[in-house]
Amino acid sequence: AQTVTQSQPEMSVQEAETVTLSCTYDTSESDYYLFWYKQPPSRQMILVIRQEAYKQQNATENRFSVNFQKAAKSFSLKISDSQLGDAAMYFCAYFNSGNTPLVFGKGTRLSVIA
Amino acid sequence: DSGVTQTPKHLITATGQRVTLRCSPRSGDLSVYWYQQSLDQGLQFLIQYYNGEERAKGNILERFSAQQFPDLHSELNLSSLELGDSALYFCASSERGWGNQPQHFGDGTRLSIL
Repeated sequence: AQTVTQSQPEMSVQEAETVTLSCTYDTSESDYYLFWYKQPPSRQMILVIRQEAYKQQNATENRFSVNFQKAAKSFSLKISDSQLGDAAMYFCAYFNSGNTPLVFGKGTRLSVIA
Repeated sequence: DSGVTQTPKHLITATGQRVTLRCSPRSGDLSVYWYQQSLDQGLQFLIQYYNGEERAKGNILERFSAQQFPDLHSELNLSSLELGDSALYFCASSERGWGNQPQHFGDGTRLSIL
């Protein structure tokens, strides 16, 4: 079974600085997708960024980018120029091309310090 | 706004009772997923429906059941409620049930069992 591990339960970053959240996963599949979701105190689950495993180029969405290392099964999220609104729980999730649901990591709580 | 609507937002009930949570997917989405988020378990996949049919089953208790109606809205029924069922229940939808389409989440229903 696929598993997703987020080894950092909590992290903090100074406003305007850069922070990287770690995620590793375990799979025997070659075709899959990886996602980062953000859950602010409002509880919404907001899609931040996604990566297709067949793409070597790392995905980028404005201040958010990923470092996807397929051989190492690593999918880290980098947040640049951190803002107070970035404070939230961040979940890494895995989804393969078959008939399986999203598998989530346990999350990393990010605090942003003014 | 994700376009996924969940009602009610909050639900308070007692042990042994039965409740129904409702989800309307985004327009055009055929697949609906239910997740349970509790403090100590993270986000757990419960069940998926695609165009009215059950597609995948996760860690769903026998006391829980779900269905997707012809208009594609879905209901999650929880019966013989126990204190441990207190959690945030999310519904998510995607256009299909596979591939690289991300799942878009509703705001969740907070269920509190007294």
